[in-house]
Parts: sequence; structure tokens; C-alpha cells
Amino acid sequence: KAGVTQTPRYLIKTRGQQVTLSCSPISGHRSVSWYQQTPGQGLQFLFEYFSETQRNKGNFPGRFSGRQFSNSRSEMNVSTLELGDSALYLCASSSRVWASGANVLTFGAGSRLTVL
Amino acid sequence: QKEVEQNSGPLSVPEGAIASLNCTYSDRGSQSFFWYRQYSGKSPELIMSIYSNGDKEDGRFTAQLNKASQYVSLLIRDSQPSDSATYLCAVKTGANNLFFGTGTRLTVIP
Repeated sequence: KAGVTQTPRYLIKTRGQQVTLSCSPISGHRSVSWYQQTPGQGLQFLFEYFSETQRNKGNFPGRFSGRQFSNSRSEMNVSTLELGDSALYLCASSSRVWASGANVLTFGAGSRLTVL
Repeated sequence: QKEVEQNSGPLSVPEGAIASLNCTYSDRGSQSFFWYRQYSGKSPELIMSIYSNGDKEDGRFTAQLNKASQYVSLLIRDSQPSDSATYLCAVKTGANNLFFGTGTRLTVIP
């Protein structure tokens, strides 16, 4: 059974540009969550999508957005990149919506974004 | 105050010793608690989950939960060099948000 697949694995952008990251969840999983990981702040929740609907959102500016497609694949977009957006962006999938109770997140390998 | 606090370490223990990792959280309504392990350059992987007060054992790992004191701990018995990693504590709050600590880096010395 394939795991969570994230593309691209590494990318370099310059300030002001935008970036789109992709995540394919484990087959059958309908919940996709996105996290930002930096050395100083650790893992911070961005948003969760379930059945193409955003179910929960973290405390990030509107430059960070996402969507989910009917096949559960998800994309996140960051517009007007800033130096502080340099981070590892992790996607995690789950079979159930996060708020439904005890469920488990399985993480992808991440997309490492460097903003110059 | 952060929702989840961990000592960033590094924590160094000799091979074969017990490694003790601690985590405190601020939301008394939290019900679900998780420990993830993250090797350098890799993604986090779940190693333990605990929902009730007390101890939960899985092989060499024991998770301990004390809701009254709002702390969670992870004990690793017979520590191996392969256990060297960053351990992330995660707490699902009463509002169903999942917060991670910044992680404790563990080094097991052969």
C-alpha cells in the first residue's frame, strides 16, 4: 500500500513568487492535513481538508491556501513568498476527519521550500 | 504559554539505559496524546498513542499520561543507537486541534 506522496521534494523560490505543493494521500484516506515545520516553531497546523471541504484552519495568513480534489489529492499554495516561509511542508493523511475522534495521521516525506 | 511544551534537549543516554522524555500541555480538555519519532531528514512517524490516565506499553516503549498534572511522558527501555531521533509530543485539544511540541532530540551513545 503506497504511503503519502508529496511533490516536489525540494524547491527554491525567490521572495514575491508563489508556490504550489501537492499531496496524494494513502489510498482510501479522505482527510489531508498540512503542517509547516521550522526549527524554531516546530510543527504548526495549516489546514485540514476532508471530502473537498476545509474542515479546520490554523493561524496562518491568507497567503496560505489549499484545496482538495474529488480523488482526495490536495494542493497547498503560498503566494507572495517571504523569507520566513522557508520550511519543510508536511502533508498527513487519515481515514477519518480529524475531529471525529481517535485517529492516526500518517505523514508524507515533505516538501522542503527555500525562499531566497 | 505554548499549547505543548517539551525540553528540546539534546538528551544523551548510554546504550541499554532508559530514556525518559517529557511533555506538558495547557488545555485541560485534551483527550488524545501521541508520540511521534522523526529521524533527521525524515517525516514524523507515530510510535505511541494514549488516551487514558496511566501507562501504556508497546515493546520497549511506555507512554505515561497524567491528566491531573497535564503531562505525558515516553520511556524507552534498553535504548539502542537506532532510537537516536527527535521525539515529538502531540496533543489533540478539546477543540479538536492537534498541537505538536518542538521535539526532544535523543542521542543514544554506543
